[in-house]
This record gives sequence, C-alpha cells and structure tokens, in this order.
Amino acid sequence: EAGVAQSPRYKIIEKRQSVAFWCNPISGHATLYWYQQILGQGPKLLIQFQNNGVVDDSQLPKDRFSAERLKGVDSTLKIQPAKLEDSAVYLCASSLLPYTDTQYFGPGTRLTVL
Amino acid sequence: DAKTTQPPSMDCAEGRAANLPCNHSTISGNEYVYWYRQIHSQGPQYIIHGLKNNETNEMASLIITEDRKSSTLILPHATLRDTAVYYCIVRVYGATGNQFYFGTGTSLTVIP
Repeated sequence: EAGVAQSPRYKIIEKRQSVAFWCNPISGHATLYWYQQILGQGPKLLIQFQNNGVVDDSQLPKDRFSAERLKGVDSTLKIQPAKLEDSAVYLCASSLLPYTDTQYFGPGTRLTVL
Repeated sequence: DAKTTQPPSMDCAEGRAANLPCNHSTISGNEYVYWYRQIHSQGPQYIIHGLKNNETNEMASLIITEDRKSSTLILPHATLRDTAVYYCIVRVYGATGNQFYFGTGTSLTVIP
C-alpha cells in the first residue's frame, strides 16, 4: 500500500514570497490533516479535512495560510506572504475515518524562509 | 495542548530493552494512548496504541497502568535504527473528530 505522498521535499523562499505544498493521501482515506512542525517541537495541527470539507481550521493563521482539498483526494496548502517564522516542516497525514482511526504521515516538506 | 509528559532524552544499549515512560494523568475514559516515532528528516511513524489493556505488535509493547494515568512503551531489543524521537499522544475526541496533540517527545539514542 502506497503511503502519503508530499511534494516538494524542500523549499527555500524569501520572506513575502508565496509557496504551495501538495499532498496525496493514502487511497481511500477520507480524512486529511496538515501539521506544522517547528524545529525542536512536536507537530501542531493546522487544518483537518473530511472528504473535501474543512472540519477544523482553528489553528490555521488564516491571514496568510490557506488550504483546499478539491474532489476530496489531493490537498494543497499555501502560504502568502511568507514570514520568517513560517520556517518549519509541513506534514500531511491521512486516516481512514475521522473518529477512530490511526493517522499516517507523509515525509513532510521542509520550508526555509530567508 | 499536549496532555502528556515525557522525559526529554534517554539512552539505551543496543540489544537491550528500551522502556520509554509517559505520564497522562488527565486522560479521560474514552481517550486512547498512541505512540509514534520520528526518525530524523522523516514524518512520524505509527507504533502502537491502546485504551486500557496492554498491547503488543511486531514493533513494540505498550503497558498502561490500571488507573490509566501513565504508560510505558517497550522496544524489546533496541537496534541502532530505533534511534528517534518518540511521541506519546493522547487522542482527544473533539467535535470534529480525533485530535492528536504532540508534545516534545523523548529523544532515544541507541548506543552500540
């Protein structure tokens, strides 16, 4: 079974630029999560999708971050404009069910904002 | 916010059992304990989870105390590839599904 795919693996941008990350979850997984992991810390949930609908985006900085999951499969997370403090690893995870199931993580995208 | 407390670091000799403790004193009756690990530059990897009973799979064993306020992850024969950060997580049921709140984890170093 293929795991969660993410791209790119690494991205370097300057502050105030825009960046987008892509995630393809495990086939058949209805729930998709985006996490932000700052160096030395555990992952922090940014947004959770159930199929193509947002069920929790309370931790998402909506003035600069946006995410979508068109057609309930792939998802894109965008940052516009980026700030220095956005430097982190952005992890995508998926689970079969929202309430009872294990989350499986992708390899992450490491973002460096200069 | 994380509902768990873990020691920041531990060492273990290769071939010996690694016992990683976790405190979750505010856990509720229907909340599961999950363990993940994160090897450098990779995403977190699922290890095991449990509710009340002890659990074992091909990777590890999970021992949960009777009052459920703490647990221990046991890697029976640690290898160098087990060097990683280990996260103990309480899965919280919110209005929107299950939420994982990661703390800072335990950095396990397996020593040759």
